[in-house]
Amino acid sequence: DTGVSQDPRHKITKRGQNVTFRCDPISEHNRLYWYRQTLGQGPEFLTYFQNEAQLEKSRLLSDRFSAERPKGSFSTLEIQRTEQGDSAMYLCASSPASGAGANVLTFGAGSRLTVL
Amino acid sequence: EDQVTQSPEALRLQEGESSSLNCSYTVSGLRGLFWYRQDPGKGPEFLFTLYSAGEEKEKERLKATLTKKESFLHITAPKPEDSATYLCAVREHSGAGSYQLTFGKGTKLSVIP
Repeated sequence: DTGVSQDPRHKITKRGQNVTFRCDPISEHNRLYWYRQTLGQGPEFLTYFQNEAQLEKSRLLSDRFSAERPKGSFSTLEIQRTEQGDSAMYLCASSPASGAGANVLTFGAGSRLTVL
Repeated sequence: EDQVTQSPEALRLQEGESSSLNCSYTVSGLRGLFWYRQDPGKGPEFLFTLYSAGEEKEKERLKATLTKKESFLHITAPKPEDSATYLCAVREHSGAGSYQLTFGKGTKLSVIP
């Protein structure tokens, strides 16, 4: 297993455009998380899936943001009508749903978004 | 008010100079305190989970401890490859069984040869 994969690694877009990020978790992990990290800050929770169900969303996740995990495997995070304040690293993580590893998040390398 | 506060923000050590990083937290009920290491341009990498006051975990030159209000990450005889940002995060009790982690801003450690 190659760990958590995120694509693209870097995205530069103009304000007002839509962008989509993809995350492929570790194959046996049921849980998938999205976090956002800006420079000099720790990651901030956005949303969490167990299998295909989106079970938790942060108030940070405005209605311009939507996340899906249609078949309980990969996930997408879409940002509509991007704003300069959306510029950040978008991190995906996954974990098992039970057992000793349930609390241990394995993060991907992130997708860095720059909004001009 | 921040729930997780890390200090110092940055720390420069000579190789072999031991020190400690601090993470203080204010949550109503702790379901776990986590330490991660983050290298530039990469995602955080898991180091330790602590669940109750008095618990300690060790891995190579790192040792994490937990009290009721704070956690320490002790680094013994650090090497340049220990240079990274160290992040602390907490998971707290909530009626909905939240799985979100709340992270601090991190401590950027530089170990000089």
